[in-house]
Formats: sequence, structure tokens, C-alpha cells
Amino acid sequence: EIVLTQSPATLSLSPGERATLSCRASQSVSSSLAWYQQKPGQAPRLLIYDASNRATGIPARFSGSGSGADFTLTISSLEPEDFAVYYCQHRYNWPLTFGGGTKVEIK
Amino acid sequence: EVQLVESGGGLVNPGGSLRLSCAASGFTFSDARMSWVRQIPGKGLEWVGLIKTKTDGETTQYAAPVKGRFTIARDDSKDTLYLQMNSLRTEDTALYYCTTGSRYHSYWFDPWGQGTLVTVSS
Repeated sequence: EIVLTQSPATLSLSPGERATLSCRASQSVSSSLAWYQQKPGQAPRLLIYDASNRATGIPARFSGSGSGADFTLTISSLEPEDFAVYYCQHRYNWPLTFGGGTKVEIK
Repeated sequence: EVQLVESGGGLVNPGGSLRLSCAASGFTFSDARMSWVRQIPGKGLEWVGLIKTKTDGETTQYAAPVKGRFTIARDDSKDTLYLQMNSLRTEDTALYYCTTGSRYHSYWFDPWGQGTLVTVSS
């Protein structure tokens, strides 16, 4: 099973600041990685797929990068609605797994 | 508009069984690979399992913690996905989401239902 480790667990930032979230895989997953956003009381929403492609309707301030085992989600300038929990997920092999999540909170 | 509506959650004793349903609309259900993902309240996401289409033999895949206890099935005539959960354990307590493959790939999940809560407790 591929283990995805996200860091940090919590990121405390102010609106307008840049957020950098990390997802590290226990083995290479090529570019088979996605990022999701989950707000309290809501289901997750797909943000980024195949490591660096934004899903439809996702603002340009969200970007993904990386390949192999190291991936990054960057939010260039935090908007109030971006404070949420972010998860990475791979589809490289079975079983599909998620990372433990990074909470982006208001400082 | 794509909609996924889960139902069937509730309180069940350890060792008991429960069947969850997910009613789908707004897309061609029979062409979609469908998954269940669960989330312990306040914790992270855990993929439970997936069922492929009839064309793909309705093949299923499961996460290790539920393999042999949970069964995913589909009824394309009713546009409904099921999760049969047997031999339930306290650690199966979670919010269970139904989700489908996105337009980009079957294993990128979008959209999701709102979930149904399963509580396993005596």
C-alpha cells in the first residue's frame, strides 16, 4: 500500500499570504496524484488532478506541482474561502489511498 | 446536474450488518465507475472500495480493512449503488460518501454525495 504523508498537519496563515502544502508518497506514483479541498460540513471537492491540472472552475491561485514521490499544492494568495482541509490522493495502484490532510487555518 | 444521495446509515451493534444506498442522477450511471469513501468524524478520508461498469465485468476493489466484510454492488436499472457491510466493528463508525469518477479519470473523485453516518456501538 502506498502511504501518502502530508505536511504540515496545520498551516496558520493570514489572508493574502502564500500557502505551500506538501504530499510525499512512500514510493513513486508518477504523476498520478490529485488534491481535494474539504470545508467543514461539506464533502470534498476535486481541485487538482494528475499532479498539476486544475479541475474546471478552480481558481488560478491554486496550482499543483511535482512528480514521482514529492508533490506540492500552492495557493498563491489566500482568500477567506480557502481556509479548509486539503487532502492528496493517488491512483497509481490498488488500494487507492489518501493523505492524512493539511488544515489551513486563519492566523 | 450530477447528484449523489446516500441513505441507509444508522446505529448498529458490533457484529451487525447494514446496507447503504446511493441514488445517482444527472449522468449515465451505467457508464460510471463508482466508489465509497469514508471519514471518521473529525479525521481524514479513507477509500473503501470501487465497482467498475458492467462492460468491465462489474469488477470490484476494496481497501484491506474492509475486504471480506464489505461488498459493493450496483443496479444500473435503478441508477443505484450499494454498500453491504457485514461483521461491523466499532472502527467502521464513519460518514460514508458515495462518489463517482470525474470527467478526467475514473479514479479522481468528483462529485461526492453528502454522506450517510454509520455508528457501530453497543
